[in-house]
Amino acid sequence: KAGVTQTPRYLIKTRGQQVTLSCSPISGHRSVSWYQQTPGQGLQFLFEYFSETQRNKGNFPGRFSGRQFSNSRSEMNVSTLELGDSALYLCASSLEKRRETQYFGPGTRLLVL
Amino acid sequence: AQSVTQLGSHVSVSEGALVLLRCNYSSSVPPYLFWYVQYPNQGLQLLLKYTSAATLVKGINGFEAEFKKSETSFHLTKPSAHMSDAAEYFCAVSDVGPDQAGTALIFGKGTTLSVSS
Repeated sequence: KAGVTQTPRYLIKTRGQQVTLSCSPISGHRSVSWYQQTPGQGLQFLFEYFSETQRNKGNFPGRFSGRQFSNSRSEMNVSTLELGDSALYLCASSLEKRRETQYFGPGTRLLVL
Repeated sequence: AQSVTQLGSHVSVSEGALVLLRCNYSSSVPPYLFWYVQYPNQGLQLLLKYTSAATLVKGINGFEAEFKKSETSFHLTKPSAHMSDAAEYFCAVSDVGPDQAGTALIFGKGTTLSVSS
C-alpha cells in the first residue's frame, strides 16, 4: 500500500499570506490528523478529521483550519501567516477505531519570511 | 490531561552498546503509548505501541519497551546499537480516552540518539 503523501514538500511564504497544504491518507484510512513540529515547541496536535468532520482539536488559533473531502483527502489552511508558523507540518492517517495507530507522511516544510 | 516526559534530549552510545531511552507519562485514563522514530528530513515511523495487551512490547528493528504502571514509565531499549539507529525518537501518549472517538497524540520533546563506531 502506498503511504501517506503530502504536497508540497517545501514552501516559502511571506508574512500575512495564506497557505494550503494537502494530505492524501493511506487507502482505507478515514481519519486524518495534522501536527505542527517546531524546534521550540516540538510536535503539537492541530486537529483530526473523520468523515469530513473535525473530531478532535488541539490548542491553536483560528488562523489554522482544515477540511476533509469525501475521498478522505485533507487540506490544512493557515491564514495571515506569522514568522512563528515556520514549521514542519505532518499529516497522519489512521483507521476509524478509537486510539488507533497513526501513520505519518513525510511532512511539508513551511518557511515564513 | 495526558503528558509525556522524555528524560535526556541527547543520548550517545557506541555501536554494539545497549540503547536506553527514557519516557515517563501522565494519564488520567488507561494509556495507549507509542514510540516513533524520525530520521532527518522525514516523517515519523512507528516503532511500537502499548495498548494494555502485554507489558513488554516488541517493535521493529530490534527495539522493545516495557510498560510499568507503578513507575508510569515506558522506556525504549535495544540490546545492541547499530549506526543506522542514529535518529530522533519520540514517545507519545494518546490524548483520547478509551470512550472517545478518534486519535490525537501528545508527544514528548524527543531524544536524539547518536551512535559512534
